[in-house]
Amino acid sequence: DTAVSQTPKYLVTQMGNDKSIKCEQNLGHDTMYWYKQDSKKFLKIMFSYNNKELIINETVPNRFSPKSPDKAHLNLHINSLELGDSAVYFCASSQEVRTRGTDTQYFGPGTRLTVL
Amino acid sequence: GQNIDQPTEMTATEGAIVQINCTYQTSGFNGLFWYQQHAGEAPTFLSYNVLDGLEEKGRFSSFLSRSKGYSYLLLKELQMKDSASYLCAVRLKAAGNKLTFGGGTRVLVKP
Repeated sequence: DTAVSQTPKYLVTQMGNDKSIKCEQNLGHDTMYWYKQDSKKFLKIMFSYNNKELIINETVPNRFSPKSPDKAHLNLHINSLELGDSAVYFCASSQEVRTRGTDTQYFGPGTRLTVL
Repeated sequence: GQNIDQPTEMTATEGAIVQINCTYQTSGFNGLFWYQQHAGEAPTFLSYNVLDGLEEKGRFSSFLSRSKGYSYLLLKELQMKDSASYLCAVRLKAAGNKLTFGGGTRVLVKP
């Protein structure tokens, strides 16, 4: 009954490689996000998709490409990995609330990426 | 730009009360969230404030003053399991329900 799941949990790879992280949510939410948490624990938004449409694209190198095949999935593909990409990547989802309410974001368990 | 400040670390004793402050300078404020994050785990939602005042949820309460750009999270009757990082996040009136997080406050509860 996992709400937001990510695979893999750990990813160790060499510089220059291409890798993907997958995210799925079974909450029926229409918005999904990717965050990066660096070694100093700052959590920063990277991308957001609403119903498969990109709505937030922060200043992220274009080596990072999100893909949303449907509103329950948001994958992150990273090309030509660099040392500075080492971090924990969190996926999150929320439901847009039009009336007064809380569109709380729920986070996945994270993927710890280590680039050697 | 957006600026969210919270103390880096706090220590408290089991059974005591701790107050974690968060100040923010943002444009387009549209709500403030508090999340708890244990080491190596995902952030989990604790509380949400969009209007001024106090929101109470069991041992945890959160306060907001929009005119002062200030919030606090109050943890009462501290337990050892409350040792974690507490993240303050501001939602902005922008497309995509964007949250901007502070650096987090690491709370260490001692016996």
